[in-house]
Amino acid sequence: EIVMTQSPATLSVSPGERATLSCRASQSVSSNLAWYQQKPGQAPRLLIYGASTRATGIPARFSGSGSGTEFTLTISSLQSEDFAVYYCQQYNNWWTFGQGTKVEIK
Amino acid sequence: QVQLVQSGAEVKKPGASVKVSCKASGYTFTGYYMHWVRQAPGQGLEWMGRINPNSGGTNYAQKFQGRVTMTRDTSISTAYMELSRLRSDDTAVYYCARDIAAALSLWGQGTLVTVSS
Repeated sequence: EIVMTQSPATLSVSPGERATLSCRASQSVSSNLAWYQQKPGQAPRLLIYGASTRATGIPARFSGSGSGTEFTLTISSLQSEDFAVYYCQQYNNWWTFGQGTKVEIK
Repeated sequence: QVQLVQSGAEVKKPGASVKVSCKASGYTFTGYYMHWVRQAPGQGLEWMGRINPNSGGTNYAQKFQGRVTMTRDTSISTAYMELSRLRSDDTAVYYCARDIAAALSLWGQGTLVTVSS
């Protein structure tokens, strides 16, 4: 099983600042990597797939990069609605999720 | 409107089985894989498996092999996930999610399954 490791576990950021979230795979997943946002009491929402392609309706302030084993999700200027938990997921070899990064208000 | 609507919350005793449904609307049900993902209270997301609604073919995560069964009824555009021999650590919200290019683009609202004696 491919293990996905996210860092940091919690990220404290002020509104308007940039947030950078990391995701590492235990072996190469090529570009078969997605990012999801989850708010309390809600289902996850797909943000990015193919490591860097924004899903339909996702604002341009969300961007993804990386390939192989190292990936990054960047939120260029945090809005109030962006404070949530973010998960990466690989789908190169079945599907596995990272443990999540909580983005909280500083 | 493209959506997935799941069945309501369930309370089960240890050792019992639960069957959760996921009704699709607004798109061709047989055109996309359907996945099941669960989330224990305060925990992360865990992939359980997927079903091809067209063929009925399934793939299950190794952890759930032998305990999970995914089926579908194409006449009513509904997918099902049945989990047997329930334990307390199966208490979780169970989600169905539609696959697009292997990422999970459309999610149901979730079904809370509580396992308690």
